[in-house]
Amino acid sequence: GDSVTQMEGPVTLSEEAFLTINCTYTATGYPSLFWYVQYPGEGLQLLLKATKADDKGSNKGFEATYRKETTSFHLEKGSVQVSDSAVYFCALSVGGSNYKLTFGKGTLLTVNP
Amino acid sequence: DTGVSQNPRHKITKRGQNVTFRCDPISEHNRLYWYRQTLGQGPEFLTYFQNEAQLEKSRLLSDRFSAERPKGSFSTLEIQRTEQGDSAMYLCASSLEETQYFGPGTRLTVT
Repeated sequence: GDSVTQMEGPVTLSEEAFLTINCTYTATGYPSLFWYVQYPGEGLQLLLKATKADDKGSNKGFEATYRKETTSFHLEKGSVQVSDSAVYFCALSVGGSNYKLTFGKGTLLTVNP
Repeated sequence: DTGVSQNPRHKITKRGQNVTFRCDPISEHNRLYWYRQTLGQGPEFLTYFQNEAQLEKSRLLSDRFSAERPKGSFSTLEIQRTEQGDSAMYLCASSLEETQYFGPGTRLTVT
């Protein structure tokens, strides 16, 4: 079946540090890939997505590139801010499966001033 | 676009009681999903509706769980004879195609 493995946290960084959260996947079809973010006390928000190999999703300074050869979709940001503190979820969906999302376990990021 | 709404936001119930949650999707979205999220885990798929038809149910959805989406608008998720293991955040999402938009969730605590 489909699965997502992401870097376990927690991750603690200082403001302006570089962020990488690793995500790899296995899928029976050709998936679309997503990063969702959950800020404290809030619901899941779509951060970025990519629908085909070599696509780069980007939003709010975050980026992730769909790498089919390594089945990866690592999340990066060049300079994190305190406001980026949240839980980040990598997820995939496959069209033939009604687009239901398969999530990783989430990575808690804490950014200190 | 008012977003996906869920009610109630919090529910505390005693073991053995029945509970019902409601989800109102984004108005033009024909696809609706329910997920369950436990502490420290990612959301897990429960069930999927396209319009009013329930097209897929996870094996996580035991016989005590039932979901409906009358007329293809709002959806309800009912849990009968709740157990402590049902304590979780229940998330609803809606979409037109593959990108899903989530509601704030209903946190269920079974005592």
